[in-house]
Amino acid sequence: AQSVTQPDIHITVSEGASLELRCNYSYGATPYLFWYVQSPGQGLQLLLKYFSGDTLVQGIKGFEAEFKRSQSSFNLRKPSVHWSDAAEYFCAVGGNRDDKIIFGKGTRLHILP
Amino acid sequence: NAGVTQTPKFQVLKTGQSMTLQCAQDMNHNSMYWYRQDPGMGLRLIYYSASEGTTDKGEVPNGYNVSRLNKREFSLRLESAAPSQTSVYFCASSGIGQGSSYEQYFGPGTRLTVT
Repeated sequence: AQSVTQPDIHITVSEGASLELRCNYSYGATPYLFWYVQSPGQGLQLLLKYFSGDTLVQGIKGFEAEFKRSQSSFNLRKPSVHWSDAAEYFCAVGGNRDDKIIFGKGTRLHILP
Repeated sequence: NAGVTQTPKFQVLKTGQSMTLQCAQDMNHNSMYWYRQDPGMGLRLIYYSASEGTTDKGEVPNGYNVSRLNKREFSLRLESAAPSQTSVYFCASSGIGQGSSYEQYFGPGTRLTVT
């Protein structure tokens, strides 16, 4: 069955510290992978996506993610977080023959001043 | 471009009342989607439409109906609202099948409360 797991419901980091948000997926075909961010009261905004090619992808706002097929993971990273990064982050997976994508339950990021 | 727009932004209904949530996109996308978001549950797909004239059930379709009015518009109807339908509803669209980007673009959401 297709699924996305985000093991951490909440993560708290200090401003300026590095960040890694975990995402594991289960998908029977070649996966297309996404990270979205949702600020309070807002819709979802795409941070980055992986379709093929280089397994390290760069996104907006200084985020990057690495696709590791052997680990079925697509973890999101940022070297130095800012207070404005406090939000909820969703990992999602889809396929090239499917017009739906499956979302994880999200990780809420809190930033300490 | 406005992207994906949704109306209304907020709505309060009494149990048993009906209403329609409107969604429109101006990106010439084929596919459109309705999700609901509840705390701790992530986004769950209610219905989607892969092209004008087609609709399919998602993960949680019970209690809802949809209409793909034309390529731009995709509405979600609650015929008899229940408190369990209290949620935030998001519409999204994607350009799959057009050789364009695959990701979904989201509207700002409708916060619905059923009392």
